[in-house]
Amino acid sequence: ETGVTQTPRHLVMGMTNKKSLKCEQHLGHNAMYWYKQSAKKPLELMFVYNFKEQTENNSVPSRFSPECPNSSHLFLHLHTLQPEDSALYLCASSQRGIHQPQHFGDGTRLSIL
Amino acid sequence: KNEVEQSPQNLTAQEGEFITINCSYSVGISALHWLQQHPGGGIVSLFMLSSGKKKHGRLIATINIQEKHSSLHITASHPRDSAVYICAVTTDKLIFGTGTRLQVFP
Repeated sequence: ETGVTQTPRHLVMGMTNKKSLKCEQHLGHNAMYWYKQSAKKPLELMFVYNFKEQTENNSVPSRFSPECPNSSHLFLHLHTLQPEDSALYLCASSQRGIHQPQHFGDGTRLSIL
Repeated sequence: KNEVEQSPQNLTAQEGEFITINCSYSVGISALHWLQQHPGGGIVSLFMLSSGKKKHGRLIATINIQEKHSSLHITASHPRDSAVYICAVTTDKLIFGTGTRLQVFP
C-alpha cells in the first residue's frame, strides 16, 4: 500500500485518442503533483496543485490538461498526443507544497503509437 | 550544465560492499532529497535534509551546505538495494538529478 494509487499502470493510445490518467491519495495530503519521466532524462515536474488550486504549470503543452476535483484526486487528461509524449507519468502528494517529503505512485507507462 | 549533478551515473557492487553516491548542486537550496526508484517505476522518498546527517537502517545521507554537496551511503549492500537513486533539491521549485543506477550482485 503506497498511499498513492495510479491507474492505469500501462496505456497505449493513438495520437488522435483521448484518455485520462487517474491518481488518488489516501494520506490526507493537500498538495498533489504530476511528473513526466522520459528515458535518460531527469524527472520533470509538470503541474502542482495545493488545496485543489493549480499553483504551478511548467510550460506544459495544452494537450495535457490536469484536473483536481478535491485534495485526494488528480487527473491528467490527454488528447492528440505526440510520440515524444511516451514516458512514465508519476503522481505524487505531500502534506503542503514542495518543501515537504513527497509520496509517489507507481506511475502510468504511456506509449503513443 | 544541470543544476543538480550526480556521480557516478552507473555503479556496480558486490554484496556487502560500502557504497557512496554523490550529488552536487549549483543553486541555493532549502532542502535536498534522496529518492529511490525500483525497476517497476515507483519512487520512494528516502531522506529530506537541510543540514548535517540522517540515518535510516543501512542508509546514511549527509549534506555540506557550504560545499553544495551531498552523499548517500549504503552500508553492507544487498541485491535488493539495486535501484536508481535520485537526488533532488528544493529552491522555489524542485530540481532533479538524472539519477545513479546501482546494481548489487550476490
